[in-house]
Order: sequence, then structure tokens, then C-alpha cells
Amino acid sequence: DGGITQSPKYLFRKEGQNVTLSCEQNLNHDAMYWYRQDPGQGLRLIYYSQIVNDFQKGDIAEGYSVSREKKESFPLTVTSAQKNPTAFYLCASSKTYNEQFFGPGTRLTVL
Amino acid sequence: GQQLNQSPQSMFIQEGEDVSMNCTSSSIFNTWLWYKQEPGEGPVLLIALYKAGELTSNGRLTAQFGITRKDSFLNISASIPSDVGIYFCAGHPLPNSGGSNYKLTFGKGTLLTVNP
Repeated sequence: DGGITQSPKYLFRKEGQNVTLSCEQNLNHDAMYWYRQDPGQGLRLIYYSQIVNDFQKGDIAEGYSVSREKKESFPLTVTSAQKNPTAFYLCASSKTYNEQFFGPGTRLTVL
Repeated sequence: GQQLNQSPQSMFIQEGEDVSMNCTSSSIFNTWLWYKQEPGEGPVLLIALYKAGELTSNGRLTAQFGITRKDSFLNISASIPSDVGIYFCAGHPLPNSGGSNYKLTFGKGTLLTVNP
């Protein structure tokens, strides 16, 4: 079945460590996105990519980095520069600029 | 940046009741999307709207794209316990509003609780 996978579902890291979250899609979508969700805050856009080897900063890109080497994959690295990394991270993809489809999310907890 | 005002923030209703929630913007949107998110999961797309005045149904859910293009409504009829979750509106502002065509603007969500 086509869809978006994110791994792992739960991730624990020590403060000061970089961590990479995986996002893969087999929907043949051109665009991919990373969002952060905090309680009561809704979804905030971290980075997005409209095409392979190109990506743009979203509203809260500081402390994060991404790469888009393959159409199917858009990994997100949470660096030690991110001051408050504990959150629920959601990856999404879209064929065009309209409907975005989300993965199941990764809950990151920094100890 | 663009902002969407979604209301109400939360609703606590009895099973069988109808539900209505809405989203408003200070600027014109050319797409409205409604998502449902259950605890610990990613949002699931419920309904997509592309034309002003459009009324679209998906089972017991009905959504409308406001005539002014600055608002949208979602109604749920005869609620059941599995309707529990957070409902988000999202939309694309017009391209000449200064943003990327690819960036969705999200409301903060309506938390729906259904009492059996």
C-alpha cells in the first residue's frame, strides 16, 4: 500500500546529541514537509522541499537541518542547537501544492 | 504571516448530537482542507475544498468553502464516540499574499470529546 512512513515512533536522546528522524514515501509525491507539533500550538512548518536536491526553510527552521537526495526520502536532523527539541514531529508529502498527506509521527524526548 | 482563527477551541458533546466548527482568516484563501488527528497519530485528510461556495460531504461530515473565501465550516452530524480527536483546518492563501504555493497555514485545532 502507498503511504508515508516515519521511524522510529518514539525516540529518546540525551541533551546535546544530534538525532535524525526518518521519513519515506512511496506515493510518488514531489513535495515533502516537516512539521513540529507542541500541545496547544497546532502544526508549525520546519522545512519543505518541492523537488529533489532543493529545500526551503519554514517558520521554525533554526536548530534543524534536512536533505533531499531522493524523491522518496526527506530526513530531518534535530541538532544540539535546537533549544527545546522535545516535541511530536510530523512528515507530510503532496503531489502538487494542495493536499498534504501525513505520516504517523515521531515523538522525540530529550532527556 | 498568515493566521487562521479556528473555533471553538474545544467541544464536549453527547453522542448523537451535531457538531459545527469554523475557521476564519483575515486574507483570502484559495484552498481549504480539514484534517482529523487522533492521539499520537498523524492528521488524516477529511475534506478538501477548492471553490468559493463549494459544499462537500464525506459520510457524516460536511464542509463548506465560504463565499468570501475567508472562512470555512465543518459540520459533523449524529456524532459517535470514534469522532473524538482534534480537527484542524488548513488552507493555502493566494499566491500574491507573499507566501509559497506549497506552504499550508493551519488553525490551532478544535478538540472534540464525545460522551457515550
